[in-house]
Amino acid sequence: DSGVTQTPKHLITATGQRVTLRCSPRSGDLSVYWYQQSLDQGLQFLIQYYNGEERAKGNILERFSAQQFPDLHSELNLSSLELGDSALYFCASSVSRGRMADTQYFGPGTRLTVL
Amino acid sequence: AQKITQTQPGMFVQEKEAVTLDCTYDTSDQSYGLFWYKQPSSGEMIFLIYQGSYDEQNATEGRYSLNFQKARKSANLVISASQLGDSAMYFCAMRPYTGGFKTIFGAGTRLFVKA
Repeated sequence: DSGVTQTPKHLITATGQRVTLRCSPRSGDLSVYWYQQSLDQGLQFLIQYYNGEERAKGNILERFSAQQFPDLHSELNLSSLELGDSALYFCASSVSRGRMADTQYFGPGTRLTVL
Repeated sequence: AQKITQTQPGMFVQEKEAVTLDCTYDTSDQSYGLFWYKQPSSGEMIFLIYQGSYDEQNATEGRYSLNFQKARKSANLVISASQLGDSAMYFCAMRPYTGGFKTIFGAGTRLFVKA
């Protein structure tokens, strides 16, 4: 158990809908990262927040947005869902804002299925 | 371009034997971190080992060691005394100094440990 929690574990929804994925980082970690893992794209970095502020942005679609709250939990919002958004979404956390050696600890993931 | 290449989509190893999983990386940065993660069939991502680009010694963590050859830009994972529970996907990842510390993952290698 990494100490990172994600809810829900599974999510099934329809195209065009909007969903929110939630993540609580390990105690003491200030950075939260979101990743998407799909069969065709592999593991893709989406976005990082550090202590409430956006720190780095990856291949995140405009239909997706995220935020980190004062209690450091984070939410990833996915809207206008398409079939291709079906994937495993991971949250990870780390202590610092992103030093080279900063190890990211991953949550169990949320499996999103868009029908 | 920053890239991680894992050329072995799948590998078999006999229980109790050692196995090497290959990873090569491409970056123009002098400073970077290299990571290996394990993803069992249950889906979670488990951190295994870290190597910094300036570390002179190869990293070791229990049965895991990282064979770091900087000039060849390779960071192979060596698992000694394989166990059935080692059957999983293994991902090599790099965090370069530039680019906002975005972590880049390879496509992964699936390891099968035979009894």
